[in-house]
Amino acid sequence: AQSVTQPDIHITVSEGASLELRCNYSYGATPYLFWYVQSPGQGLQLLLKYFSGDTLVQGIKGFEAEFKRSQSSFNLRKPSVHWSDAAEYFCAVGARYGGSQGNLIFGKGTKLSVKP
Amino acid sequence: DAGVIQSPRHEVTEMGQEVTLRCKPISGHDYLFWYRQTMMRGLELLIYFNNNVPIDDSGMPEDRFSAKMPNASFSTLKIQPSEPRDSAVYFCASSSGFATEAFFGQGTRLTVV
Repeated sequence: AQSVTQPDIHITVSEGASLELRCNYSYGATPYLFWYVQSPGQGLQLLLKYFSGDTLVQGIKGFEAEFKRSQSSFNLRKPSVHWSDAAEYFCAVGARYGGSQGNLIFGKGTKLSVKP
Repeated sequence: DAGVIQSPRHEVTEMGQEVTLRCKPISGHDYLFWYRQTMMRGLELLIYFNNNVPIDDSGMPEDRFSAKMPNASFSTLKIQPSEPRDSAVYFCASSSGFATEAFFGQGTRLTVV
């Protein structure tokens, strides 16, 4: 079964600083990978996704993520954080094969705070 | 499309009562997911459907929880009887195929007192 680990529960960065949120997954093959963002009181919104091809994927709001098969990682990055980026970020993995196709498993999330 | 619609947005109920949460997925989507979000456990997948058929309900915590999808445009999650530890935000999401973007509803915040 697939699983997702986000090792950082809470991260604080200064506005304008760069950001990297970590995500490691466990799956027997290359999974589908997603990053979602959740603002307070809201549902989740997709930032970006990786299915195949170029391992560096671009998303909305200036975010990008890099799939590294050797490290089983899919870290989210942004070169310059804005105050409006303060939210909770979730990494998710989807199964390509087997009876759980379609299943999306989420990490526990990383809460991002932005200092002025 | 108005997106995934969940109702009610907030529900406060007494322990022992039956609670029914409702979800209308995006038209044309053939996958529907129910998630529960708590501070302690994060976002947990409870059950998901493909073409109205339950595929994996291994995340349903107990027999008190049940979910149905009688047609492509409606699903319910029922808790009977409810307990205080069921207090959480319940999200419904739908997608147009496996490994595609899942669109989330606004969630139902359930409080059981």
